Amino acid sequence: AQSVTQPDIHITVSEGASLELRCNYSYGATPYLFWYVQSPGQGLQLLLKYFSGDTLVQGIKGFEAEFKRSQSSFNLRKPSVHWSDAAEYFCAVGSSGTYKYIFGTGTRLKVLA
Amino acid sequence: DVKVTQSSRYLVKRTGEKVFLECVQDMDHENMFWYRQDPGLGLRLIYFSYDVKMKEKGDIPEGYSVSREKKERFSLILESASTNQTSMYLCASSFPEGSNTEAFFGQGTRLTVV
Repeated sequence: AQSVTQPDIHITVSEGASLELRCNYSYGATPYLFWYVQSPGQGLQLLLKYFSGDTLVQGIKGFEAEFKRSQSSFNLRKPSVHWSDAAEYFCAVGSSGTYKYIFGTGTRLKVLA
Repeated sequence: DVKVTQSSRYLVKRTGEKVFLECVQDMDHENMFWYRQDPGLGLRLIYFSYDVKMKEKGDIPEGYSVSREKKERFSLILESASTNQTSMYLCASSFPEGSNTEAFFGQGTRLTVV
């Protein structure tokens, strides 16, 4: 069955520290991978996406993610976290020819001043 | 910029009421979606539509229906609201290629059923 796992429900980091949010997927076909961010009370905003090509993708707000097919992972990283990055982050997978996105359950990020 | 607009940010309704959640997108997207978001459960697909008057059930369609009379508008209907439908509802739209393109989300409607 297709699935997306975000193993960390909550993560707390200090402002200025580096960040890595984990995402593992299970999908038979070639996956299309997304990271979204949701600020409190808001909808989801796309941070970055991977369709093909270079496995390291750059996104908005200084985020990047690396696709590792051998590990079925698409982890999100940021070298230096800002207090405004506190939010919930969702990993999602899609596939050509289907309409369905599969979302992980989210990781809530807290940033300490 | 793509804009997906949900008609209400917050709604409070009584048990048994018929509830309409409205969503409008301005990018001429073929695909539109309704998701429900609950803590610890992530986003769950209720219904999606790939064209006017076309709809398909998602993972949790029970207790909901949808309407898409115009391309830009997708409505979610709770026929008889119940307290277990208290949740955050998110509308999204995307291009016709399917889930190999990103979805664009509205700001969400937080519905409370009392």
